[in-house]
Amino acid sequence: KQEVTQIPAALSVPEGENLVLNCSFTDSAIYNLQWFRQDPGKGLTSLLLIQSSQREQTSGRLNASLDKSSGRSTLYIAASQPGDSATYLCAVNTFGGKLIFGQGTELSVKP
Amino acid sequence: EAQVTQNPRYLITVTGKKLTVTCSQNMNHEYMSWYRQDPGLGLRQIYYSMNVEVTDKGDVPEGYKVSRKEKRNFPLILESPSPNQTSLYFCASNQGITGELFFGEGSRLTVL
Repeated sequence: KQEVTQIPAALSVPEGENLVLNCSFTDSAIYNLQWFRQDPGKGLTSLLLIQSSQREQTSGRLNASLDKSSGRSTLYIAASQPGDSATYLCAVNTFGGKLIFGQGTELSVKP
Repeated sequence: EAQVTQNPRYLITVTGKKLTVTCSQNMNHEYMSWYRQDPGLGLRQIYYSMNVEVTDKGDVPEGYKVSRKEKRNFPLILESPSPNQTSLYFCASNQGITGELFFGEGSRLTVL
């Protein structure tokens, strides 16, 4: 059974720091992996989608990598800002259409 | 504007009173799905649909029903709600099994 783990559960950094969020999964048979951002009481906003054949995707200050063989993905945030404070979730799209989410990393960027 | 719309956004009901949470998307997506989010348990998939009249169970389908009679709509039905179904519910859609997921704003349901 696919399991998705995100470490750390919470992270606090000063403004301007570069940071890495981690996501690991147990079964490499996936279509893709997606990173989301969730603000308190709000829905999920898609940040980056990496297909299983890709190694990384970039959008602005965000870069996501995927190593399917080791069951790992990272989300790199450059030059963090207070507006980046949110919970970040990764989700793997398994064969058959099921989406499995990690528990999320709660990020706080201090001014 | 491309969006997934859920209604109601907030609902308080009592045990056993049937309710329906509607979900509609305007992106002509084939795939639609429902999730619940609970503290400490994260987001879990309830049901998903690959196309009209095609639905399948996710990880936590017990106590829920869905239907997909039209491509744009995917309602979640709680025939006899119980307090353990108190949760934050999200609907999502994507184009094709590998497409990017778009989420609705969520529906917060409380069952007394």
